[in-house]
Amino acid sequence: EIVLTQSPGTLSLSPGERVTLSCRASQSVSNSYLAWYHQKPGQAPRLLIHGASSRATGIPDRFSGSGSGTDFTLTISRLEPEDFAVYYCQQYDSSPLTFGGGTKVEIK
Amino acid sequence: QVQLVQSGAEVKKPGASVKVSCKASGYTFTGYYMHWVRQAPGQGLEWMGWLNPNTGGTNYAQKFEGRVTMTRDTSISTAYMELSRLRFDDTAVYYCAKDRKGDYLFDSWGQGTLVTVSS
Repeated sequence: EIVLTQSPGTLSLSPGERVTLSCRASQSVSNSYLAWYHQKPGQAPRLLIHGASSRATGIPDRFSGSGSGTDFTLTISRLEPEDFAVYYCQQYDSSPLTFGGGTKVEIK
Repeated sequence: QVQLVQSGAEVKKPGASVKVSCKASGYTFTGYYMHWVRQAPGQGLEWMGWLNPNTGGTNYAQKFEGRVTMTRDTSISTAYMELSRLRFDDTAVYYCAKDRKGDYLFDSWGQGTLVTVSS
C-alpha cells in the first residue's frame, strides 16, 4: 500500500498569499498518477489536479501541481476566500487507492 | 449535469448491517465505475472499493473484504454499499463517487450519508 504523507498539517494564511502544499509517497507513484482534491466544511471533496499537474475541468489557473516519483506539490498562486479548505492528495497508481491525511488552509 | 443522490442518515447498533444507496443521473450509469469512500468525523478520506455497474464486478480494499458488499440496480441507476458487522469505528460519512473515465479519479460525488454506530 502506498502511504501518502502531507505537510504541513495546517497553514494559516491571508487572502492573496501564495501557498505550497506537499505530498510525499512511501514509494514511487508510477506515471505521476497523483491527484489533488479540496474539501470545504460540510461538502464532498472536489477534484482539482490529476496526473500531478493537469487541472481538472473548470479549475482556475491559480491552481498548479508539480512533482514526480515520491514528491509532489500543489501551489495556489493567490489565495481567494473560497480556497480556504482542506486539501488532500490521492494516488491512483495502485490498489488500494489511498489519500494523504490532508492539509488545512485556514484564514489567518 | 451529473448528480449522485444518497440515502439518508442511519443509526445502527454494533454488529448490525447498513445499506447505503446512491442514485445516479445525468450520465450513463453503466458506463463508469462507482467508488465508495468514507470519512470518519474530523478525519481524512478512506477508499473502500469500486463497483462496475455494467458487469456487477467489484474490487474491495483488503481492509473491508468480507464485510462490504457493493451492488447495483441498473433499472433505476442506483448503486448500493452494504457494510456488515458494524463497529463503533465505522461511524463515518460514506460517499459514493463516480469514476472520471476508468482512471480511478473521482469527478463527481454524492452528498454523503452519515452512519452512526452507537449502542
